[in-house]
Amino acid sequence: QVLLQESGPGLVKPSQTLSLTCSVSGDSVNSADYYWGWIRQHPGKGLELIGYIDNSGSAYYNPSLQSRFTVSIDTSDNRFSLRLTSVTAADTAVFYCVRVSRSDIAFDSWGQGTLVTVSS
Amino acid sequence: VVLTQSPATLSVSPGDSATLSCRASQNIGTTLAWYQQRPGQSPRLLIYAASTRGAGIPGRFSGSGSGTEFTLTISGLQSEDSALYYCGLLTFGGGTKVEI
Repeated sequence: QVLLQESGPGLVKPSQTLSLTCSVSGDSVNSADYYWGWIRQHPGKGLELIGYIDNSGSAYYNPSLQSRFTVSIDTSDNRFSLRLTSVTAADTAVFYCVRVSRSDIAFDSWGQGTLVTVSS
Repeated sequence: VVLTQSPATLSVSPGDSATLSCRASQNIGTTLAWYQQRPGQSPRLLIYAASTRGAGIPGRFSGSGSGTEFTLTISGLQSEDSALYYCGLLTFGGGTKVEI
């Protein structure tokens, strides 16, 4: 059974850079069957895909979002990360890391989510 | 692709069946998934490829449809089924709240 665990700061100041990491157990991020991605959920709102990455480091980003996001992967440590620059209060959200089935484009495993609050 | 879900809220009684709809703005074949998000929890995959149940999902959850029209049916509703339900591809619909 795959487990995904997000880690990172719960509070970030405006204009700073947010970095989150997703540690994966029970599967390898080097798998050719999956992508590894990030989804955010603003308080009381719906789900929004940020982007995902494959084992070669090729990333896809939601074209409706600004290009402040970067997803990276570390196959040696079996984890992947999200970087968001120049955060504002509008970036306050729960961030989920997910495993994405390549064949079905389905998010079949989710982390527990981490709430990130942007405030001075 | 824009996914539009209806209704926004569905109030049902235990044991009833519920039918949730998802409409895609263009033909997506059967590449659609359904997710359940209970209050305070992470979403979980219910259905993928429009009609295939995810691992460990009870048989009372079923999905159908193709092209632009999709349906999630929940039969024999239980209190634990009170949740938000999202359809999704690379984007998500706005969700349907099921109240029991």
